[in-house]
Amino acid sequence: AQSVTQLGSHVSVSEGALVLLRCNYSSSVPPYLFWYVQYPNQGLQLLLKYTTGATLVKGINGFEAEFKKSETSFHLTKPSAHMSDAAEYFCAVSVGNSGNTGKLIFGQGTTLQVKP
Amino acid sequence: KAGVTQTPRYLIKTRGQQVTLSCSPISGHRSVSWYQQTPGQGLQFLFEYFSETQRNKGNFPGRFSGRQFSNSRSEMNVSTLELGDSALYLCASSSKREGLVEQFFGPGTRLTVL
Repeated sequence: AQSVTQLGSHVSVSEGALVLLRCNYSSSVPPYLFWYVQYPNQGLQLLLKYTTGATLVKGINGFEAEFKKSETSFHLTKPSAHMSDAAEYFCAVSVGNSGNTGKLIFGQGTTLQVKP
Repeated sequence: KAGVTQTPRYLIKTRGQQVTLSCSPISGHRSVSWYQQTPGQGLQFLFEYFSETQRNKGNFPGRFSGRQFSNSRSEMNVSTLELGDSALYLCASSSKREGLVEQFFGPGTRLTVL
C-alpha cells in the first residue's frame, strides 16, 4: 500500500531564502508522485509531477523536486521564496500501477510562511 | 478550456439532513474523483467514477455515495449528516497524459453541519 509522510506541518522562511519542503513516500510499485499547492479558500493546483525518467523535476513558479529512490523521498525546493509562495503544500502518490487511477494518497500538508 | 466547477461553493446544513454536491469536469475528462478535506484528517479519497461506473472507493461509511452521468458530471450525496461531516469537499477530473492520470481540482464545496 502506498503512503506519504510530510515532515514538518509548518515551515517558516524569510523572503529570498531557500524553500525546502520534505516528503517521504512508501510504495510497493514504482511511484507516481505529485506536489500540489493550495491557497486559502481554493482548490489544489498541481506544481509538478514525477512519473519516470529524469529524477529532477521542474514545475511552475520556480519550484522543483528530486526523486530519490534510495531515500524514498521527493522533496520540494525553490531557491528564493516570494511572499506569494505562502500557502499549504501537499505531497501525493498515485495509487495503483502506472498512476492509472484517479486516486491520490496525500500527505498531511505543510504550511509555508514567508516572512518579509 | 473551463476548469472544474463545483456547486454550491458553500452549504450549511443541520445534523440528520442530507446533502447533494455537484461537480462538472473539464470538457473531455471522463474520470471524476472526490476528496474530503478536514483539519484533523487532511485530504482523504472518497471515490472515483469513470464512464458512469465507480472505479475506486475510499474508507467512508455508506452514508457517502456518488454517481456520474453520461456527460461525465458527477454528484456526491451524504445522508444523515453528522457534525464530523463538516469539511471542504473537493472534486477532481482526470485526463490521461503520457500514461498518467493527471488530476485537476475544482475550488471545492465548503459544507458546514450544525
